[in-house]
Amino acid sequence: QLVLTQSPSASASLGASVKLTCTLSSGYSSYAIAWHQQQPEKGPRYLMKLDSDGSHSKGDGIPDRFSGSSSGAERYLTISSLQSEDEADYYCQTWGTGIVVFGGGTKLTVL
Amino acid sequence: EVQLVESGGGLVQPGGSLRLSCAASGFTFSSYWMSWVRQAPGKGLEWVANIYQDGTKKYYVDSVKGRFTFSRDNAKNSVYLQMNSLRAEDTAVYYCARGKFCGGGCYDGLDSWGQGTLVTVSS
Repeated sequence: QLVLTQSPSASASLGASVKLTCTLSSGYSSYAIAWHQQQPEKGPRYLMKLDSDGSHSKGDGIPDRFSGSSSGAERYLTISSLQSEDEADYYCQTWGTGIVVFGGGTKLTVL
Repeated sequence: EVQLVESGGGLVQPGGSLRLSCAASGFTFSSYWMSWVRQAPGKGLEWVANIYQDGTKKYYVDSVKGRFTFSRDNAKNSVYLQMNSLRAEDTAVYYCARGKFCGGGCYDGLDSWGQGTLVTVSS
């Protein structure tokens, strides 16, 4: 069964870096994912698509501070030089034939 | 600029019906998959349905199969979600989203979102 697992919460200091993880379920390690950001009281915003080889394509206007990487079944979102507006929920998303799956989301707190 | 504007949300009684609309602009609408995604209060994102570029393929999450119908009108650059037999657990903000462009008509994730419309199912 295609499932994405994310840690419920993460925190890091202003100006620091943070690495969020999204894990694909067993047997699906070759799947691409997408990362989306949802700031408080707003709709989601697409950040990037991330392939299994770590290559990624970002959405329009997404700062260079946001980057993606992959290792096996793990997909990562790294945010460097954290800013206050990065405090948000981050969701990973994947898809198969006739199905789309979201992870449970990670709530990022910027200290 | 890509714009997706949802409308049609509101308060409806259990067992009732509602039709959501999403008006798209800023891109060649007929070349893209479209999706509905919902978010219950205080919860995460849940995919609801996908529709192919010409409307010939549609996919739904199991919990809405037989109750919700996804359609599109490429002449009007719009998609619609007809929701019947609504339940309390359908209460959520419903987002319209665009599939990422993929040559050959493949589905390749979502890359644009609307601001959402709230559906409340309650007596």
